[in-house]
Amino acid sequence: NAGVTQTPKFQVLKTGQSMTLQCAQDMNHEYMSWYRQDPGMGLRLIHYSVGAGITDQGEVPNGYNVSRSTTEDFPLRLLSAAPSQTSVYFCASRLLAGDPYEQYFGPGTRLTVT
Amino acid sequence: GNSVTQMEGPVTLSEEAFLTINCTYTATGYPSLFWYVQYPGEGLQLLLKATKADDKGSNKGFEATYRKETTSFHLEKGSVQVSDSAVYFCALSESDAGKSTFGDGTTLTVKP
Repeated sequence: NAGVTQTPKFQVLKTGQSMTLQCAQDMNHEYMSWYRQDPGMGLRLIHYSVGAGITDQGEVPNGYNVSRSTTEDFPLRLLSAAPSQTSVYFCASRLLAGDPYEQYFGPGTRLTVT
Repeated sequence: GNSVTQMEGPVTLSEEAFLTINCTYTATGYPSLFWYVQYPGEGLQLLLKATKADDKGSNKGFEATYRKETTSFHLEKGSVQVSDSAVYFCALSESDAGKSTFGDGTTLTVKP
């Protein structure tokens, strides 16, 4: 199993540009999520999904869109990039049912918006 | 709502010192508890876990015990190594909607 994969690893955008961060998992996990990690702020949940066709907002959803057309893929779209979106983005997945709900994380995407 | 509070860092120790990173939580139900570790430039990976009161999770010399009466899950290691330098996150998960709650992370630096 490849686990959770993310592309790209690094990205530089100009303010106002749009882009999609890709996330895929091959573990047949129902639950997938996106976090951003900023210095001193830990992990903040952006969006999550409990299955294909179902998405919901997390703690900091503004400026981001998601969709879940398949179990495997959960892309994160930045609609109009802003410098405040400079961060490291992590995708994670887990089974929805069955203790103990541990999450599997991708390696991250480091995004800089200038 | 749920929350996780962990000891603020950074923590700097000498090799072979004893490590404790405190973690307390609030939850509406009976969560599973986790410690994740993030090495420089990498994603988070599970270090250890506990699913019910008085369970002890352990891995790579690290231990943590699920204490329901004090709502705590403190991470300990008897003798740290330089290779343990990383950021450590305490987290909880409940079955409700699948969401997890993370602490802010504690940066550990171990000096030779």
